[in-house]
Amino acid sequence: GAVVSQHPSWVICKSGTSVKIECRSLDFQATTMFWYRQFPKQSLMLMATSNEGSKATYEQGVEKDKFLINHASLTLSTLTVTSAHPEDSSFYICSARDVASGGSHNEQFFGPGTRLTVL
Amino acid sequence: SQKIEQNSEALNIQEGKTATLTCNYTNYSPAYLQWYRQDPGRGPVFLLLIRENEKEKRKERLKVTFDTTLKQSLFHITASQPADSATYLCALDMSGGNNRLAFGKGNQVVVIP
Repeated sequence: GAVVSQHPSWVICKSGTSVKIECRSLDFQATTMFWYRQFPKQSLMLMATSNEGSKATYEQGVEKDKFLINHASLTLSTLTVTSAHPEDSSFYICSARDVASGGSHNEQFFGPGTRLTVL
Repeated sequence: SQKIEQNSEALNIQEGKTATLTCNYTNYSPAYLQWYRQDPGRGPVFLLLIRENEKEKRKERLKVTFDTTLKQSLFHITASQPADSATYLCALDMSGGNNRLAFGKGNQVVVIP
């Protein structure tokens, strides 16, 4: 079945540094990937839609210069948290849709998530 | 404002019984609604999708209903098992079928052996 991986699974960094998180679709191609953030006991919040070969579309209130998204291939999207601060500490999850399924299926396959802790 | 509401209290249920979860939403007109399972520290796993023109969907021991008039979906787990213990998330399409999802906070289910 469709598998999405994320790397790293957890990361601890100092305030002011940048952190890159990778999201890969392992056995299918994904023209569109999504990035979410989840705080403890809160809902997943969609941050942005990552489109292969074009600029990402950010949700209202999400700073595009702080959360840089690159979707350079059909199997890889990256999220870079720039100048991270403690309030950016969260669980970051990506998801992807299988291109082959076309428009009749809207299932999203989620990665296992990346736990970011900013000291 | 737009809201997706799921019961914040955990549902404790005896093994073998049917667990029923509710998802209510306001100020959305979703083309479809999805249910996901999430275990602690993990990403969500897709369970079922139901479209706006469908009343009911089944998959093995799972059943979902969708009432667009009431703006409500019910999620049932029949013959519940301890392995069903998890948090169940309701997600709505918020962009007319463009796959941008809005999630509820989830409802935890604990199946007691």
